[in-house]
Amino acid sequence: SQTIHQWPATLVQPVGSPLSLECTVEGTSNPNLYWYRQAAGRGLQLLFYSVGIGQISSEVPQNLSASRPQDRQFILSSKKLLLSDSGFYLCACTDTRGPEYGYTFGSGTRLTVV
Amino acid sequence: GENVEQHPSTLSVQEGDSAVIKCTYSDSASNYFPWYKQELGKRPQLIIDIRSNVGEKKDQRIAVTLNKTAKHFSLHITETQPEDSAVYFCAASKERWDTNAGKSTFGDGTTLTVKP
Repeated sequence: SQTIHQWPATLVQPVGSPLSLECTVEGTSNPNLYWYRQAAGRGLQLLFYSVGIGQISSEVPQNLSASRPQDRQFILSSKKLLLSDSGFYLCACTDTRGPEYGYTFGSGTRLTVV
Repeated sequence: GENVEQHPSTLSVQEGDSAVIKCTYSDSASNYFPWYKQELGKRPQLIIDIRSNVGEKKDQRIAVTLNKTAKHFSLHITETQPEDSAVYFCAASKERWDTNAGKSTFGDGTTLTVKP
């Protein structure tokens, strides 16, 4: 089965600063990759997904962007953070057997924008 | 797009009682319905799922039911234990790989507290 590595685990950043969160996947090739955000006490909001290198689809317009420079690497970025960007960010990939077997999530990054 | 609603948002039960969480979905083309459990500060983990060709699925103390006509599905936990306390999320997606990249739409979650 696949494993997702996500870092950093926690991050405190000032408003207006840049952001880079990274996610790498082991144990699978050509996975579908996703970035979700979870606000405090809320559900999971899909931000971006990627079906292959360089292929990014955005679900929610915002000041965040994503990139997939390698097959098993997914990066979430921002040039200038807003207070509203605070939350718990989760990287996920579909099971190696296919999307009909659910997601594997990374351990998440808790971002606080101050 | 798909819309998933989940109820209740919080649920408190006594140890040994049953817990039921319900979700409805809007897209009749959705055919895969996973449930995730998220313990405090940790990642969500898949605990059980059901596909549209099945009406019920059981795994020990956990069961899921699906009513395609009514477009709702439920999670049932029997003989609850304190370690069942967590946030539970339902989700809906389509299985066909090339139509929507396997995207799952999640409910807002249910915080389950099992009192000893």
